[in-house]
Amino acid sequence: SYVLTQPPSVSVAPGQTARITCGGNNIGGKSVHWYQQKPGQAPALVVYDDSDRPSGIPERFSGFNSGNTATLTISRVEAGDEADYYCQLWGATSDHPLFGGGTKLSVL
Amino acid sequence: EVQVVESGGGLVQPGGSLRVSCAASGFTVSDNYMSWVRQAPGKGLEWVSVIYSGGSAYYADSVKGRFTISRHNSKNTLYLQMNSLRPEDTAVYYCARDSISKGGWYFDLWGRGTLVTVSS
Repeated sequence: SYVLTQPPSVSVAPGQTARITCGGNNIGGKSVHWYQQKPGQAPALVVYDDSDRPSGIPERFSGFNSGNTATLTISRVEAGDEADYYCQLWGATSDHPLFGGGTKLSVL
Repeated sequence: EVQVVESGGGLVQPGGSLRVSCAASGFTVSDNYMSWVRQAPGKGLEWVSVIYSGGSAYYADSVKGRFTISRHNSKNTLYLQMNSLRPEDTAVYYCARDSISKGGWYFDLWGRGTLVTVSS
């Protein structure tokens, strides 16, 4: 079955750039979506269709997808960006959505 | 305001049943694909079930045959009936609105979730 692999954790200093990866076989041929989940809160969509942002999401959040890796990039990281981030796609090996295991972003 | 609000979670014994609800406002449940996604304590997200606008329903293998998704159109409410519950079903259950794009689907609106605990 298809697996989406994320690093368990990423750490970055405020003002720096965080890159969170999501690996999968030929993931570049699929559309990847990203969610942010702050402690005690519901997930929220931050990037869809690889690189589009919902209204209200800052331009600091961007996405790219090619080959076997999709990447969520957060520029000029702020303390408020500290959260778990999940990648998701649909229809990899079944007609169902699939989530990655999640990455905890720590802002040092 | 466009939102969904879950309710109905609680403590249930293994083998028991529970129905959780998701009341929507600001949009029509029956015009959309609607899903349930769960998150076990300290774990990641797991898709559970979807109901299409046309009424077709699909389930994750882990709940197939035990859970049933449905909706009440006049109440604009989504439900998840959970039977034969197991301890591994313990999780926060989120209601989510699906959005269909060129590449598949994603979840553009989430509720705050309702906690279901299966324990004796």
